[in-house]
Amino acid sequence: DAKTTQPPSMDCAEGRAANLPCNHSTISGNEYVYWYRQIHSQGPQYIIHGLKNNETNEMASLIITEDRKSSTLILPHATLRDTAVYYCIVRVDNTGGFKTIFGAGTRLFVKA
Amino acid sequence: DTGVSQNPRHKITKRGQNVTFRCDPISEHNRLYWYRQTLGQGPEFLTYFQNEAQLEKSRLLSDRFSAERPKGSFSTLEIQRTEQGDSAMYLCASSLDSRGADTFGSGTRLTVV
Repeated sequence: DAKTTQPPSMDCAEGRAANLPCNHSTISGNEYVYWYRQIHSQGPQYIIHGLKNNETNEMASLIITEDRKSSTLILPHATLRDTAVYYCIVRVDNTGGFKTIFGAGTRLFVKA
Repeated sequence: DTGVSQNPRHKITKRGQNVTFRCDPISEHNRLYWYRQTLGQGPEFLTYFQNEAQLEKSRLLSDRFSAERPKGSFSTLEIQRTEQGDSAMYLCASSLDSRGADTFGSGTRLTVV
């Protein structure tokens, strides 16, 4: 099963872009990259997901390298409320079954 | 619809007792997932349902754990003969389909004393 590697923590200045890296070098062709975040005492919140192409939504952008071995989540203008643990996971859901593995995530601190 | 609802929010039980948690997903969501999360770790997948059918169970789901989703609506997770190692946050999530955005509930925190 593909696993992900993320730095344990990162800092970002308020108003700046936060770029959170994720390594998933053993990802398979049918596995998607998903990003979630979790604020203390709440359930995880879905942010974005993608397979091959870069994706953007109202919350963030997801940049996936051409070889799909790594990705970066970009929060374009970080605010204090973006302080959270960010999880990058790979997930497969097909006739072969469902697999999703969360790691320990990256704790992002947004500072004023 | 106010999102995914989990009850109770907190549960303290004595070792050996049985506990049951309830999850009410977003009404039009076909998929329902259960996860367990311990302090400082990411969520661990336990099981999921497509409508009323339980399609996948993790090795983590021992025979003391059972989940149901009658009529494809709410779901229950029961733990029999609880052990201290069962202490964790139990999270429920739902989604419209297999690749859609999951919506998580706030979880049920179980403490076994």
